[in-house]
Amino acid sequence: EVQLVESGGGLVQPGGSLRLSCAASGFTLSNFWMSWVRQAPGKGLECVATIKQDGSEKYYVDSVKGRFSISRDNAKNSLYLQMNSLRADDTAMYYCARGNHLGYWGQGNMVTVSS
Amino acid sequence: DVVMTQSPLSLPVTLGQPASISCRSSQSLVYSDGNTYLNWFQQRPGQSPRRLIFKVSSRDSGVPDRFSGSGSGTDFTLKISMVEAEDVGVYYCMQGSHWPYTFGQGTKLETK
Repeated sequence: EVQLVESGGGLVQPGGSLRLSCAASGFTLSNFWMSWVRQAPGKGLECVATIKQDGSEKYYVDSVKGRFSISRDNAKNSLYLQMNSLRADDTAMYYCARGNHLGYWGQGNMVTVSS
Repeated sequence: DVVMTQSPLSLPVTLGQPASISCRSSQSLVYSDGNTYLNWFQQRPGQSPRRLIFKVSSRDSGVPDRFSGSGSGTDFTLKISMVEAEDVGVYYCMQGSHWPYTFGQGTKLETK
C-alpha cells in the first residue's frame, strides 16, 4: 500500500525557516517524480515544487522561487521541502504527492506563519 | 501561467441524479509527447485530495465507474452518472502539461 507521511510543520515567525519531510513507503521512490502541493485555509490547491526521480530537475512556482528548495534521498525513501524567508501567505496545509501528476497524496502537514 | 476555469463553482445535486463539471484552460493542454495531461481530483470534507481521472479520461484504480472524464484541447468535463452521498466534496481539475501546473478554483458538490 502506498503511504506518504509528512512531518516538520508548525508555527513559525515571518522570516523564519522550516523543513518539511515526507516518508514514502509501499513503492520504490526512485521510480517517481515527487511533488509538494499546498492549500491555504479555505482555499484551493497550488503545486509548489516538483523534482525528478534522480533530483536532476527541479521546478518551483514563482511565489516560492529563491526561498524554497525541494530535495530527496531515495536511499532513505524521503522527500524534503526546505522553506526559508517564510511569509504569512505561505500559511497552508502542505501535501506530499507522488509523481508530477499527483497520483497519491499524504495526509498533509500544517505550516502557520505568524508573529 | 495556464489559467483553469471551472463551472459551476457550486453544484447542488439530488442523490441518484447525474452531475457534470466543466473545466476550460487558457491554452491547449496537448503536450509535446501527444498526451493531454488533464487530471481531476476529489477532496472530501476534512480529507486530502484524491486523484480520480488522469490524462483526460483514464480512471485511477478503485475509482467507481460512475465517474468519467472527457474533452480535448482546452475544454474538459467530469461527469458523475448517478451521484451518491459519498461523492460530496470539492472537485478540482488540474493541468500537468505546462509548468507551473495549475488547478481550477474547485467545484463544491453538495446534495439538495
